[in-house]
Amino acid sequence: DADVTQTPRNRITKTGKRIMLECSQTKGHDRMYWYRQDPGLGLRLIYYSFDVKDINKGEISDGYSVSRQAQAKFSLSLESAIPNQTALYFCATSDSNRNYGYTFGSGTRLTVV
Amino acid sequence: GQQLNQSPQSMFIQEGEDVSMNCTSSSIFNTWLWYKQDPGEGPVLLIALYKAGELTSNGRLTAQFGITRKDSFLNISASIPSDVGIYFCAGLNTDKLIFGTGTRLQVFP
Repeated sequence: DADVTQTPRNRITKTGKRIMLECSQTKGHDRMYWYRQDPGLGLRLIYYSFDVKDINKGEISDGYSVSRQAQAKFSLSLESAIPNQTALYFCATSDSNRNYGYTFGSGTRLTVV
Repeated sequence: GQQLNQSPQSMFIQEGEDVSMNCTSSSIFNTWLWYKQDPGEGPVLLIALYKAGELTSNGRLTAQFGITRKDSFLNISASIPSDVGIYFCAGLNTDKLIFGTGTRLQVFP
């Protein structure tokens, strides 16, 4: 099994719908992140969490919300999806005690029509 | 916000050629990382650099942490078809990773 699992892998949804992307990890890391990838723009941080009760906005949090239900689970919600939220979304984890970078999931490709 | 500019944006090279790409920032970073993203997958860590001036190798990959702490370089020697993908630099400052815009590498046989 993958260390960082994202579900679903692909999703097509209609404008105005609420959608949740799930992320779970088995690495035992305390920190979790949601990134969005668009062609030519790299990866941009949406939200991050350093512990179960900790939620922080990234550089592009508008239109998104998150929930850290447990140390191993971090979900991203789009309250009312719009077409410009069509993108590839990545969850990542890191260990605050080790400075070795992040471990990424395989991504969720979201299309809003 | 902080910006990391990677160049070139894309490269089309022949198998066996060497590749160089770089990343520059308007801010200082304490750690530089290089990631590779294969099609349909998430980025995977290639090399981590922790000190200004540091030069680190991982097989055919060599990366350097710039002296000013505002830039980093990645070289790939004797490229092979499986080197195809998007390469991202990332700077770590206190507690968040800031990613570059990526360099897309295509290798032709």
